[in-house]
Amino acid sequence: GEDVEQSLFLSVREGDSSVINCTYTDSSSTYLYWYKQEPGAGLQLLTYIFSNMDMKQDQRLTVLLNKKDKHLSLRIADTQTGDSAIYFCAEVFSGGYNKLIFGAGTRLAVHP
Amino acid sequence: NAGVTQTPKFRVLKTGQSMTLLCAQDMNHEYMYWYRQDPGMGLRLIHYSVGEGTTAKGEVPDGYNVSRLKKQNFLLGLESAAPSQTSVYFCASNPGLAGALGEQFFGPGTRLTVL
Repeated sequence: GEDVEQSLFLSVREGDSSVINCTYTDSSSTYLYWYKQEPGAGLQLLTYIFSNMDMKQDQRLTVLLNKKDKHLSLRIADTQTGDSAIYFCAEVFSGGYNKLIFGAGTRLAVHP
Repeated sequence: NAGVTQTPKFRVLKTGQSMTLLCAQDMNHEYMYWYRQDPGMGLRLIHYSVGEGTTAKGEVPDGYNVSRLKKQNFLLGLESAAPSQTSVYFCASNPGLAGALGEQFFGPGTRLTVL
């Protein structure tokens, strides 16, 4: 069945780049998403990539997609303390109705 | 627009008690979802609805019931709460348009503790 896997924790120094990795299983996913959850809040869509793209850049965010290896990554350049949050990778469930399969989330801690 | 709202924000129940969580959205979205979030497990889909009057089971439906009597509201019920249902519950909605981005819009969550 579908599954999305992520490492659970990442610690970076302020100003460095952060790279959060994700692997997924459903090669038919049209879109792949990155959601951000700040403490005590719900999830917000951070960025997404269409499955026929290899890379998408959006200001400090770069999403890389390797369809052959079913690997997705999110790079945050010049990481700031405000980037501290949990980041979830998600793919669209093949059963339809825009259902999403989420990874367990990567907690990003940014330290001075 | 308020987006997706959830009530209550926090609740403590005793084992065996019942309660209903309310989700409301003002975006005229067709699809609505209930998730639970547990540490190290991400979000798991409990139930979902693809329109007024419809509901369907998700990944972890046991112990929960739902209703979608009005398009803007999606209720999640626990008939007899168990400690295993201690979790943070999130509601989400999606426009339900074919071929669209598929983004889900999330509420702020309800933190439920069952003693």
